[in-house]
Amino acid sequence: QVQLVQSGAEVKKPGASVKVSCKASGYTFSSYDINWVRRATGQGLEWMGWMNPNSGNTGYAQKFQGRVTMTRNTSISTAYMELSSLTSEDTAVYYCARVQGYSSAWYPDPWGQGTLVTVSS
Amino acid sequence: QSVLTQPPSASGTPGQRVTISCSGSSSNIGSNTVHWYQQLPGAAPKLLIYTNNQRPSGVPDRFSGSKSGTSASLAISGLQSEDEADYYCAAWDDSLNGLFGGGTKLTVL
Repeated sequence: QVQLVQSGAEVKKPGASVKVSCKASGYTFSSYDINWVRRATGQGLEWMGWMNPNSGNTGYAQKFQGRVTMTRNTSISTAYMELSSLTSEDTAVYYCARVQGYSSAWYPDPWGQGTLVTVSS
Repeated sequence: QSVLTQPPSASGTPGQRVTISCSGSSSNIGSNTVHWYQQLPGAAPKLLIYTNNQRPSGVPDRFSGSKSGTSASLAISGLQSEDEADYYCAAWDDSLNGLFGGGTKLTVL
């Protein structure tokens, strides 16, 4: 079955960077984009951006432009999301998700299990 | 504040029917399809409805979705205690961004 498995929880200090991985299985990794979404405590879901595993092309939400980098290693079917200049407001659970397409075909499914990133001094 | 507007909370008693609304604009719901997710405490979001009113296999037919213009709704009939969760609407925006509603916390009384 299609499955996305993420890396474990991280604790980072303010100003540091974090890199979360998302390993895909059960389908051809290069055939579907990966999106990243986060949920801060007490907040709703927030879309961060997309990455095409085949081309490496990316698109980021304006809020994260300049601070987020989405990459991939196709040889191990793994996507990565790196967020820099962390502040306490970046404390959240980060999810990767596969998407079918865009416009009316955009619906992330399935999702990884989530990675808790805690930013604390 | 989310571009897609949902009520922050909703409630109902077992067996009741509840609806959750989602309001957007011409650049998102008005020109693209709407999807709904259920997030149980401590779990990842789960796709509940896609393309306005389609249910993935395994989702009970108690859950249904609809869309009209720039708004959409999720209806849950025969409410059960295990339906207590956060519900999110989602849609692509023509500005090339994915959007989620602010979420609705459903309480089963």
